[in-house]
Amino acid sequence: GESVGLHLPTLSVQEGDNSIINCAYSNSASDYFIWYKQESGKGPQFIIDIRSNMDKRQGQRVTVLLNKTVKHLSLQIAATQPGDSAVYFCAENARQLTFGSGTQLTVLP
Amino acid sequence: ETGVTQSPTHLIKTRGQQVTLRCSSQSGHNTVSWYQQALGQGPQFIFQYYREEENGRGNFPPRFSGLQFPNYSSELNVNALELDDSALYLCASSFRAGTSEEQYFGPGTRLTVT
Repeated sequence: GESVGLHLPTLSVQEGDNSIINCAYSNSASDYFIWYKQESGKGPQFIIDIRSNMDKRQGQRVTVLLNKTVKHLSLQIAATQPGDSAVYFCAENARQLTFGSGTQLTVLP
Repeated sequence: ETGVTQSPTHLIKTRGQQVTLRCSSQSGHNTVSWYQQALGQGPQFIFQYYREEENGRGNFPPRFSGLQFPNYSSELNVNALELDDSALYLCASSFRAGTSEEQYFGPGTRLTVT
């Protein structure tokens, strides 16, 4: 069965608002997670990663939070822009990447 | 953009035919992984090649096979195509095999089987 999954298949936010995309995983031994962004017609693009010895990691306008107790991670995008519209995947990396099913983020003007 | 390239961009084949997809990895990367992405789904791991040897395989039948060449480029071959093989095929390269390595994806090859 699927070991990572996303909570919502779609998410719409107003331009300028913050976006939160959630993901759950089932394997408590998973120690490395990655968020990818996939725009239409393109391959997945690395956004940010986090290892299990961390609870939070920040990048440019993005933050990933990892809650190992409930096996949940989230991607927060600050001041969402039209260019952020894409499908977002969380993936765990244990020899190979195992992807969730993705959340389509739509940014409304 | 990553340095990973794939060819062809699009391909249409008939059920029962065979297909070969190609991938050139990013400079300095010796590991290539292949993924199948059905419409509306996340990518599914097919297999990985490290230094010309298969280094892990997902839940795909033997008619999915691959090669990696000395320059670390790679091919994915699919025999006896089925309608359900219609998907976006992605390759990803990384510096080395194993865990905790960032993988860089190419743009994919869109395969349609009729």
